[in-house]
Amino acid sequence: DGGITQSPKYLFRKEGQNVTLSCEQNLNHDAMYWYRQDPGQGLRLIYYSQIVNDFQKGDIAEGYSVSREKKESFPLTVTSAQKNPTAFYLCASSKGLAALETQYFGPGTRLLVL
Amino acid sequence: AQSVTQLDSQVPVFEEAPVELRCNYSSSVSVYLFWYVQYPNQGLQLLLKYLSGSTLVKGINGFEAEFNKSQTSFHLRKPSVHISDTAEYFCAVSSGYSSASKIIFGSGTRLSIRP
Repeated sequence: DGGITQSPKYLFRKEGQNVTLSCEQNLNHDAMYWYRQDPGQGLRLIYYSQIVNDFQKGDIAEGYSVSREKKESFPLTVTSAQKNPTAFYLCASSKGLAALETQYFGPGTRLLVL
Repeated sequence: AQSVTQLDSQVPVFEEAPVELRCNYSSSVSVYLFWYVQYPNQGLQLLLKYLSGSTLVKGINGFEAEFNKSQTSFHLRKPSVHISDTAEYFCAVSSGYSSASKIIFGSGTRLSIRP
């Protein structure tokens, strides 16, 4: 089955620690995205990537970093600079960046701060 | 600038009753409109989308939505809901002249079904 996997399902971060969230897709999609979801709010875009070795900041990129070394993978690192990281993180992909493209979402990772 | 407003944060309905979830958008250019569903602790799944053509769009699980350009609305409807429809529903808009990275999501409507 084609789809998007995210791991881990739950992640705990200690103060001052960097943590990395994994996102893998086997849909052969070029574009990938990271969103943050907070209760009662819509999704906010953190980073997106149109092709391998290229990525762009979204609306709330501060305190986060990404890489896109392979088409299938788009890991997100939450750095210690992100002061309020507790949220539900969603990875998505689409065939391309055209505005009409459907985004396909992974199951999410819930990040909690100890 | 684009924006999308979901007027109801929560909608409780009885099982087998009809439901309408409201969505209004603002945009100065042509738009693409989407409805996504999120079941508890899961990612989002596309229910339906309007790109062009017929203003009545049918989606999965018996849902449909109507694009109304004059009222800038894209309300989601289902004639008879089931317990399994309990979820959060997100309306989203993107501009025909931008990219998928510029899609704007509403704040969501939580649909709760009472037996």
